[in-house]
Amino acid sequence: SQTIHQWPATLVQPVGSPLSLECTVEGTSNPNLYWYRQAAGRGLQLLFYSVGIGQISSEVPQNLSASRPQDRQFILSSKKLLLSDSGFYLCAWSGDNPGNTIYFGEGSWLTVV
Amino acid sequence: GDSVTQMEGPVTLSEEAFLTINCTYTATGYPSLFWYVQYPGEGLQLLLKATKADDKGSNKGFEATYRKETTSFHLEKGSVQVSDSAVYFCALSDPNTGFQKLVFGTGTRLLVSP
Repeated sequence: SQTIHQWPATLVQPVGSPLSLECTVEGTSNPNLYWYRQAAGRGLQLLFYSVGIGQISSEVPQNLSASRPQDRQFILSSKKLLLSDSGFYLCAWSGDNPGNTIYFGEGSWLTVV
Repeated sequence: GDSVTQMEGPVTLSEEAFLTINCTYTATGYPSLFWYVQYPGEGLQLLLKATKADDKGSNKGFEATYRKETTSFHLEKGSVQVSDSAVYFCALSDPNTGFQKLVFGTGTRLLVSP
C-alpha cells in the first residue's frame, strides 16, 4: 500500500532563518506531489505541485520554494523565513491519472518567531 | 475560477444528533467533489467523494450526494458521536487537468458533546 510521510512534525524557527520540510511517498511511482498550507483561521491553499522530477509549478508568489530531487521526494524550502510563513504545511500525493484522489501526509506545524 | 463555499462553524451538537454541513461550489466544468476530515493535531483524511452528478459518497455513516442542479454536496450523518469532532473540508477538483488541483472550502469545525 502507499504511504506518505513528512517531517519534521513541529518546528519553531526565528525570523530570517532557513527552512526545509521533507516529504516522501512509498509504494507508488511517478506520483503527482503537492504542498499545501493552512494558515491560522483560513482554508487550505495550494503552494506548489509537481508532475515529475525537477518539474515544479508555483500557484502563488511567496517566500518559499519547492524541489523534487527524486521521484518520490518533495522538499519545501525557504532561505529566510517571515512571520507570515507560520502555518500548517501539508504534503500530498496523487496518481498521475486524471480523477485520482489526493492523499495527505500528517502535516508539519511551523511557527516563526 | 472554481470555488467552494461551506457553512461557517463551529457546529455544536449533542451525541446522536443529526448533522448537516452545507457545501456549494462554482465550477466551469464537471468537477469531482470531496469531503476531507481533519482530526485535532492531524493531517487531512479523505472521508468520501463523488465523481459525477447524482453519485452518493458514503463512509463511516457520513453521506453526501452530488447535486448538479443545485451545485451542492452537503455532508450528512444521522447520529453523530463525540469521536466525530473534527474540522470538515469540502473540496473540488477538475478531473480533466493533468494533475489534481483541489480547491478547498474554509472548513467547518464540528463539536459533539456527550
